[in-house]
Amino acid sequence: EVQLVESGGGLVQPGRSLRLSCTGSGFTFGDYAMSWVRQAPGKGLEWVGLIRSKAYGGTTEFAASVKGRFTISRDDSKSIAYLQMNSLKTEDTAVYYCTRDGLVWSTYYYMDVWGKGTTVTVSS
Amino acid sequence: QPVLTQSSSASASLGSSVNLTCTLSSGRTRSIIAWHQQQPGKAPRYLMKLEGSGSYNKVSGVPDRFSGSSSGADRYLTISNLQSEDEADYYCEIWDRNTQVFGGGTKLTVL
Repeated sequence: EVQLVESGGGLVQPGRSLRLSCTGSGFTFGDYAMSWVRQAPGKGLEWVGLIRSKAYGGTTEFAASVKGRFTISRDDSKSIAYLQMNSLKTEDTAVYYCTRDGLVWSTYYYMDVWGKGTTVTVSS
Repeated sequence: QPVLTQSSSASASLGSSVNLTCTLSSGRTRSIIAWHQQQPGKAPRYLMKLEGSGSYNKVSGVPDRFSGSSSGADRYLTISNLQSEDEADYYCEIWDRNTQVFGGGTKLTVL
């Protein structure tokens, strides 16, 4: 069974850092791009960022709202993707989901597997 | 102009059909989108990817009642024979200019 499990969420003060992990199983992790998506309380889904597979350079892309503060990395040997969040703000409070990304025509990514999410609360 | 536009809400009766629409902004009519379902209190779930041609691929386990279609800039998710468990938020998603974008979501109420 294909599965993604997020961990690392919690309560953190504004300005501090937090690292989330996403562990994949049931598929060849290194073959896929991975994304992070968040959902603030009562709000819709917001894409945070993506890391491509090594075959496509392993490069990253980020939403404007987190660029320069968040980074994504991956350890394919452990089937884990990480979201490093620095300089956290209260508006980063959300449930954070990890997704696996399929690729069509070597051009279009789309999210085809979701984890259950981990909650991050930024508050003093 | 938003990249993806969805109606904020929709409603239909148990056993009936409903079309949910996701409209792509100009210049993106050939793009592939994905549809996702989020039932109350749960994580989102991927339903299908949908091409501009109207061809769609559902993930295993999605009932036959769910189908997709396209017309110009519009991408549709059709749910037939509505069940109570179909009451959920539905989001479309697109990869656009090196970012992923979600529509605002449609809250579907089953009457």
